[in-house]
Amino acid sequence: DAKTTQPPSMDCAEGRAANLPCNHSTISGNEYVYWYRQIHSQGPQYIIHGLKNNETNEMASLIITEDRKSSTLILPHATLRDTAVYYCIVKTGANNLFFGTGTRLTVIP
Amino acid sequence: DTAVSQTPKYLVTQMGNDKSIKCEQNLGHDTMYWYKQDSKKFLKIMFSYNNKELIINETVPNRFSPKSPDKAHLNLHINSLELGDSAVYFCASSQDGTGRDTQYFGPGTRLTVL
Repeated sequence: DAKTTQPPSMDCAEGRAANLPCNHSTISGNEYVYWYRQIHSQGPQYIIHGLKNNETNEMASLIITEDRKSSTLILPHATLRDTAVYYCIVKTGANNLFFGTGTRLTVIP
Repeated sequence: DTAVSQTPKYLVTQMGNDKSIKCEQNLGHDTMYWYKQDSKKFLKIMFSYNNKELIINETVPNRFSPKSPDKAHLNLHINSLELGDSAVYFCASSQDGTGRDTQYFGPGTRLTVL
């Protein structure tokens, strides 16, 4: 599975869009990009995933560059409850998720 | 209803003891997992089970043994507990374990070994 690089921390004003970047320059053609988050003291929570096309669900949008070497998770209107560590994971058919250090997002009132 | 549940939520025990953590999922999923999150917050997979068959074992010491009485349960048994076993243990499940399905995590069990 490809390695990912994320900034260690980011701040976002409440009500604004939070854009969390992820680099995965060694991604291969059959690897998906997954995003999970972990709110303090809770289990990780699935957010979204994609292969090539941009994806949107009720929680977030995922923008994947055309060369697939990077992606951005967008939380359109961040709330205080979105404060968490966000993990970008790239994987194929293996069952295990490799969680790196993630990005600690702090939403500021 | 809780999708993935774990008991106990907290577990404090002495070195050398044997303990178990239980996990249950009511999602009808075929695959269940155990993860360990250490003090540095790194989350690493330990095991996964698919239809009672172990399909991943990430070089975990053999003091740790998963036991699955049925598809909805995957319990974690730990023998001869050591200080380094102190961590938060998360159970998870997914539909079919193909790797492209979403994993749902339990709330975690905080194990402290004294």
